[in-house]
Amino acid sequence: EAGVTQFPSHSVIEKGQTVTLRCDPISGHDNLYWYRRVMGKEIKFLLHFVKESKQDESGMPNNRFLAERTGGTYSTLKVQPAELEDSGVYFCASSPTPRGYGYTFGSGTRLTVV
Amino acid sequence: TQLLEQSPQFLSIQEGENLTVYCNSSSVFSSLQWYRQEPGEGPVLLVTVVTGGEVKKLKRLTFQFGDARKDSSLHITAAQTGDTGLYLCAGDYNQGGKLIFGQGTELSVKP
Repeated sequence: EAGVTQFPSHSVIEKGQTVTLRCDPISGHDNLYWYRRVMGKEIKFLLHFVKESKQDESGMPNNRFLAERTGGTYSTLKVQPAELEDSGVYFCASSPTPRGYGYTFGSGTRLTVV
Repeated sequence: TQLLEQSPQFLSIQEGENLTVYCNSSSVFSSLQWYRQEPGEGPVLLVTVVTGGEVKKLKRLTFQFGDARKDSSLHITAAQTGDTGLYLCAGDYNQGGKLIFGQGTELSVKP
């Protein structure tokens, strides 16, 4: 089966610009998660979708971040406007169950804001 | 705020040696996962432990979950150069799927 796919793999943007990251989960996985790792820190949870609904968005840093999951399939994470501290690697993961079992991660999008 | 302390952060050993990585928290996990991550890739799940005192083996890797479900360890026997990579522990505290990650252990196994 195809894994979790993330686009783009790398993105370099200027401060103040907008960037949209995309995640295609494994087909049939209702649970989709976004995580972020900034340099020198641990991977941190951003939010959790169950199908098209946001189950938990407690990790979203601020209102410059907007996540959507159209029709319960792929998801996008938009950062607008981007700030320097948004730089990091953004990971998407999907799972068939909501209990943290059977996570499959994508390869991540490395975002650099200059 | 739940925290997961992972140690050591860096480990450099010779091929054939044994090693142990630790993960500790003051909170009880409902489950704990161990991942391995290669450069430029996402974390890959190695094992999930759920029951206090549980021991799981994956070839030369042995995973242990503490009786109180607050700590876990990963033991590698006779390390090989192919074991080199970043090892991560991650805990789920409320069965909601949100994982709290440790800082990771960067393992380097030299020939």
